[in-house]
Amino acid sequence: SYVLTQPPSVSVAPGQTARITCGGNNIGRKSVQWYQQRPGQAPVLVVYDDIDRPSGIPERFSGSNSGNTATLTISRVEAGDEADYYCQVWDSSSDHVYVFGSGTKVTVL
Amino acid sequence: QITLKESGPTLVKPTQTLALTCTFSGFSLSASGVGVGWIRQPPGKALEWLAIIYWDDEKRYSPSLKSRLTITKDTSKNQVVLTMTNMDPVDTATYYCAHRRGGGIFDYWARGTLVTVSS
Repeated sequence: SYVLTQPPSVSVAPGQTARITCGGNNIGRKSVQWYQQRPGQAPVLVVYDDIDRPSGIPERFSGSNSGNTATLTISRVEAGDEADYYCQVWDSSSDHVYVFGSGTKVTVL
Repeated sequence: QITLKESGPTLVKPTQTLALTCTFSGFSLSASGVGVGWIRQPPGKALEWLAIIYWDDEKRYSPSLKSRLTITKDTSKNQVVLTMTNMDPVDTATYYCAHRRGGGIFDYWARGTLVTVSS
């Protein structure tokens, strides 16, 4: 089965840039989604198809995907960005399953 | 706008069958490419995809839970039902349903419902 690996935690000072990685075998060949989950809340889609943002998501959130690593970048980090972030892919080549990463806790110092 | 809401028991006993209903509005599950999926999250742990049903009634399940899961839809009622058999305390989790647009993207999520498995 396909596995997505994320670092457990990332710490960043306000105004700085946070980068969250998501590793998977040839993940660059798949479309990657990123979800933000604040404590006690449902996940919210922040990036889809590697680089696109849903309406209402700030331009500070951006994504990239190449080789074996996808990355979510949060620029000019704010206190409200403190949350868990999950990457996700649709593995259409194997039973059409949906796979989530292990999640990364972003702490704003 | 698209909204979804889960309903069902908050407490089930070990070995019982769980049935959760996702009631949605703002879209049709008859529209090409659309799906409704179920995802769960044990307390303090990561998201885990469980199952999905598509507009054409195709169904897909997590390989590790496939033998215990059934997903159905009632298009006329705008509802999707997930059943999970032989519940165990390790199945204690918040269960979410979500709207799937084309391309494997879950763009709208319900608030989630916490299900506790305990005798």
